[in-house]
Amino acid sequence: DVKVTQSSRYLVKRTGEKVFLECVQDMDHENMFWYRQDPGLGLRLIYFSYDVKMKEKGDIPEGYSVSREKKERFSLILESASTNQTSMYLCASSFRDRRNSPLHFGNGTRLTVT
Amino acid sequence: DAKTTQPPSMDCAEGRAANLPCNHSTISGNEYVYWYRQIHSQGPQYIIHGLKNNETNEMASLIITEDRKSSTLILPHATLRDTAVYYCIVRVQGDKIIFGKGTRLHILP
Repeated sequence: DVKVTQSSRYLVKRTGEKVFLECVQDMDHENMFWYRQDPGLGLRLIYFSYDVKMKEKGDIPEGYSVSREKKERFSLILESASTNQTSMYLCASSFRDRRNSPLHFGNGTRLTVT
Repeated sequence: DAKTTQPPSMDCAEGRAANLPCNHSTISGNEYVYWYRQIHSQGPQYIIHGLKNNETNEMASLIITEDRKSSTLILPHATLRDTAVYYCIVRVQGDKIIFGKGTRLHILP
């Protein structure tokens, strides 16, 4: 089974802190994605990556950056955490150019910024 | 913007078939229809996908209309564990994937 592992299930950080959210997948997927999920707003795409060292902005990239130094790992970085970044963060991965290539999600990191 | 429209919520009696509709009237010829569901406090789970033919797997069936402008996900014998938010998504392979707000399905005992 495909496994997408997010490093923390729950995280509490203070305003202004630098926050790293880590995601690792074990299926040699080229594509990796970071979403955030908020009540009433659904899942919104922050950043995605098609390959190592490659990144593309999603719909809400402001206040975030990402790093993809290895194929299996995709990190989301909050340079200076703010309270409006309190949210559930979901990582996902998939193959890039294969017909039967659904997204596989991790179980999420619930981040609280105080 | 999401390319799909779904009802915000639906109810279904336990043991009955749950039929979840999705409109995707602007779908392009090479875009697949995917369905996911999200049970509370978990990440979304893949269910099924298709291009133009109907598809069936161990979880569900997917019926796509001939003009491909809408589809229906069918859970043949709904159980309480099927209570979740169901997302219908259209995507081109390799493209970024945009989720809509989904349908909250309540299975009633």
